Amino acid sequence: GVTQSPTHLIKTRGQQVTLRCSSQSGHNTVSWYQQALGQGPQFIFQYYRKEENGRGNFPPRFSGLQFPNDSSELNVNALELDDSALYLCASSLQGVTEAFFGQGTRLTVV
Amino acid sequence: QQQVKQSPQSLIVQKGGISIINCAYENTAFDYFPWYQQFPGKGPALLIAIRPDVSEKKEGRFTISFNKSAKQFSLHIMDSQPGDSATYFCAASMMNTGNQFYFGTGTSLTVIP
Repeated sequence: GVTQSPTHLIKTRGQQVTLRCSSQSGHNTVSWYQQALGQGPQFIFQYYRKEENGRGNFPPRFSGLQFPNDSSELNVNALELDDSALYLCASSLQGVTEAFFGQGTRLTVV
Repeated sequence: QQQVKQSPQSLIVQKGGISIINCAYENTAFDYFPWYQQFPGKGPALLIAIRPDVSEKKEGRFTISFNKSAKQFSLHIMDSQPGDSATYFCAASMMNTGNQFYFGTGTSLTVIP
């Protein structure tokens, strides 16, 4: 399945954070989502073949990487209190809409 | 602008009853409509999905009804069970964008024994 690390994280405003995702075996496309408490997930961006392949309404301080083994990272710079949320990654095959989500990383910014 | 609107926000159903959750979308380019189930502390799990070339899809106790002209779709859970208590999200995407989903705001379902 899709695994994310760490499961929980507490950071201070202004700091930087890196979240990690290991895609399901064979999947080559990964998307990251932000889920605020009581809300639906919001699309941050998608990576395919190590290139950003679509971005939602998120500022450039949200950035990502995709590695040759199809694992990926979400980096957030200059953390703000409103960045506190559950961050989810979803993996799939390019062109296939069925996606599988990880359990998420709960980020708290204080 | 919320691209996918979902209602109700919360729902309480007796065991054995029917749970109905509704969603509406704006973008006619959407061509894939999944429903996800999420338990506390877990990521969303795909429950059932439909494409706009059919009006209904059934998998076990779960049915999606799709009305293309009204730009609406709904999830029906028949014979609701306490184990169905979770948050349900509808979503929409364009198939050529893969897993780039627009999610509704979620419905918290509680099934009372």
